[in-house]
Parts: sequence; structure tokens; C-alpha cells
Amino acid sequence: DVKVTQSSRYLVKRTGEKVFLECVQDMDHENMFWYRQDPGLGLRLIYFSYDVKMKEKGDIPEGYSVSREKKERFSLILESASTNQTSMYLCASSGLRQGSKETQYFGPGTRLLVL
Amino acid sequence: GEDVEQSLFLSVREGDSSVINCTYTDSSSTYLYWYKQEPGAGLQLLTYIFSNMDMKQDQRLTVLLNKKDKHLSLRIADTQTGDSAIYFCAERFYGQNFVFGPGTRLSVLP
Repeated sequence: DVKVTQSSRYLVKRTGEKVFLECVQDMDHENMFWYRQDPGLGLRLIYFSYDVKMKEKGDIPEGYSVSREKKERFSLILESASTNQTSMYLCASSGLRQGSKETQYFGPGTRLLVL
Repeated sequence: GEDVEQSLFLSVREGDSSVINCTYTDSSSTYLYWYKQEPGAGLQLLTYIFSNMDMKQDQRLTVLLNKKDKHLSLRIADTQTGDSAIYFCAERFYGQNFVFGPGTRLSVLP
């Protein structure tokens, strides 16, 4: 079974703090993704990575950065947290197989509250 | 650009069938997916359909795809309280580009 884990289920931070969200997958997947989930907006892609040290901006990268130093680990960084970054953050991973039903496997999510 | 739409809420009585609908704008997707999210959890893949199919059945789940109308639906037969969750429709394009709908919250009433 694919396992995607996220370092925290709940986080409370203050405005201006630097926040690290960690994601680890154990299936040797090439692709990793960070989404935020807000009511009525579904999932919005922040950043994704298709290889170690590679990253691509998603739909809403502003205010975020990422790091992929090892294949299994993808970190999301909020350099200076703001209240509008209060959200549920979901990490996902997927393999390289094309032309197949290869899906994204999701972690349990981190609910971040910025005060 | 790609856009996926779903109604946000659906209520059904236990034992009835649920039908969750999804419409999309870009027909170049390769696969379409239904994910289920239970409270406090991530998304789990429920089922998927290849874009050149029009129907897929998997136990209580039936997926219908109308490519002409760009409409995807998920029917859950004999809905149970354990089916209460948020259901996301998603399109996958070539490569790993996924686009998700806003999710439909299904409430199953006793």
C-alpha cells in the first residue's frame, strides 16, 4: 500500500512566522504535489515536483516555496505566514507511468491556522 | 483553461441511490476520477474511467461519462451512512496535470 505521511495533522502559527510542512512518501514516486483545500474551492495546486531538486509552480504559488532534496520528501514553506494562508494543506504523490490509470495518492492533510 | 464544476451539497435517505454530477470544460483529458474524502482525512481514489469509455460499474458504484456534453456522474446504489463524505471529480491530462472540482458534500439521512 502506498503511504503518504504529513508531519503534522494540526498546526497553529502566528502571522509572520516561518512554517514548514513536511511530506514523505514510501513508494519511490517521482512526482509530488502540494495543494491547499478551501471550502467551495476544491483543491488548488500550489507547487509540484517531478524529480529531486526540480520544482514547478502550480496555480497559486504566491507566498509559498518548496524544497525537494530527497526523492521521498517534499517540503512546503511559508516564509512569513499570513492569515489568508489558514487552510487545509494536502500532499500527494504519483508514479511516472503514462497511459495508465496512475492516480495521485494523498496524505491525511495538515490543518493550518494562522492567527 | 480547464474548469471542473460540481454542486456543493447533496442529501439522500439511507437506502436510496445518490447521483453526484460533474461538468468539465476541457475534453482533452485522458482519465477522469472520483475521489472520496472522509472528515479529517485526505482523498482516496474511489473509481476512475478512461476518457474513451462511457460507463464503468464497480459494485455499488456506476460511473457515466458523456463526452459530448462533458458530463461525468457517479451513482452510488443503496447509499449508506458510511458513504457520507465529500466527493471530488478530477480530470487528468497528459503528464501529471490533474484538475479537481470543488467537491460535493454528500449527507446520508437515516
